[in-house]
Amino acid sequence: DIQMTQSPSSLSAYVGDRVTITCRSSQNIGTHLHWYQQKPGRAPNLLIYAASNLQSGVPARFTGSGSGTTFTLTISSLQREDSATYYCQQSRNTYMFTFGQGTRLEIK
Amino acid sequence: QVQLQESGPGLVKPSETLSLTCSVSGGSISSYYWSWIRQPPGKGLEWIGYIYYSGSTNYNPSLKSRVTMSVDTSENQFSLRLSSVTAADTAVYFCARDQGYISSAGSGWYFDLWGRGTLVTVSS
Repeated sequence: DIQMTQSPSSLSAYVGDRVTITCRSSQNIGTHLHWYQQKPGRAPNLLIYAASNLQSGVPARFTGSGSGTTFTLTISSLQREDSATYYCQQSRNTYMFTFGQGTRLEIK
Repeated sequence: QVQLQESGPGLVKPSETLSLTCSVSGGSISSYYWSWIRQPPGKGLEWIGYIYYSGSTNYNPSLKSRVTMSVDTSENQFSLRLSSVTAADTAVYFCARDQGYISSAGSGWYFDLWGRGTLVTVSS
């Protein structure tokens, strides 16, 4: 199985800050990496697919980058509504999709 | 717009079978792969498996011996059965649509639409 590891597990930042979350895979997954945002009591919501493609309707302050084994999700100017847990997911292995453990983002 | 809705019992006894259905509205179930994903309370996401509208399936190896998925194109819905459940199977269960893409790195999949999720508790 391809293991996904996110860092940090949690972070706290101020409105307007630039925030970066990292996701690392246990093997090369090319750009088959996707990011989701989940708010309490809600289903996950797709933000970025294929490492760097912004899903329709998602604010442009969210950007994704990376390839191979290291990926980042960046929020350029944090907004209060960005308080959520963020998950990465790989689809390089189409027989076994796996998620990172999540990064909880709080607004100070 | 396409919407997904999970349904099924919220309480299942240990050793029994969990059964859930995902109804797809606003669009056809055809030509897509559909997944089940679960989330134990306070924990992360675990992919359970997917089913194609034609009926072909692929399951998470850790659950494969207990999972069965099926599809009913006439009703525009697909289903999950998980047998011999224990307390460890207590989770919110989501259904989701697998969206395929082709990139320079090859083809891949992401989950572009999700149901709201349904909590299933395993308890006697």
